[in-house]
Amino acid sequence: EAGVAQSPRYKIIEKRQSVAFWCNPISGHATLYWYQQILGQGPKLLIQFQNNGVVDDSQLPKDRFSAERLKGVDSTLKIQPAKLEDSAVYLCASSLGGAQQYFGPGTRLTVT
Amino acid sequence: DAKTTQPNSMESNEEEPVHLPCNHSTISGTDYIHWYRQLPSQGPEYVIHGLTSNVNNRMASLAIAEDRKSSTLILHRATLRDAAVYYCTGGEGNTPLVFGKGTRLSVIA
Repeated sequence: EAGVAQSPRYKIIEKRQSVAFWCNPISGHATLYWYQQILGQGPKLLIQFQNNGVVDDSQLPKDRFSAERLKGVDSTLKIQPAKLEDSAVYLCASSLGGAQQYFGPGTRLTVT
Repeated sequence: DAKTTQPNSMESNEEEPVHLPCNHSTISGTDYIHWYRQLPSQGPEYVIHGLTSNVNNRMASLAIAEDRKSSTLILHRATLRDAAVYYCTGGEGNTPLVFGKGTRLSVIA
């Protein structure tokens, strides 16, 4: 079974630029999550989708972050404009709806 | 969301058992206790979860206190590949996981 795919794996941008990350969950997984992990900390939820609807985006900085999951499969997370404090690993995870979440390898973003 | 407390770091010798503790005194009666681990440069990986009784799988065992305010992840024989950050968290169903800083486990050959 293929795991959660994410791209790109690494991205370096200057502050005030925009960037987008892509996630392809495990086939059949209705629930998709985006987490932000700052160096030395545990992952923090940004947004949760159930199929193509948003379940929880209370921690998403909506003035600069946006996410969508068209057709309830792939998802993209965008940052516009980026700030220095957005430097982090962005993790995508999916689940069938039970307790176990499957994480992708993450995208490491560096904002200079 | 259940707030969890874990030691920052632990060390173990290879081939010896490791007991990783977690306090979750605010966990609700319906929250499962989940354990994940994160190897360097990888996303978190599911280890085990349980509700009230002790659980075993091919990776580890989970011992849950009777009052559910604490739990212990047991790796029966640590290997170098078990060196990782281990997170415990609580939640039910497909609710998002709330991670603390976890415990960094070092395994010495």
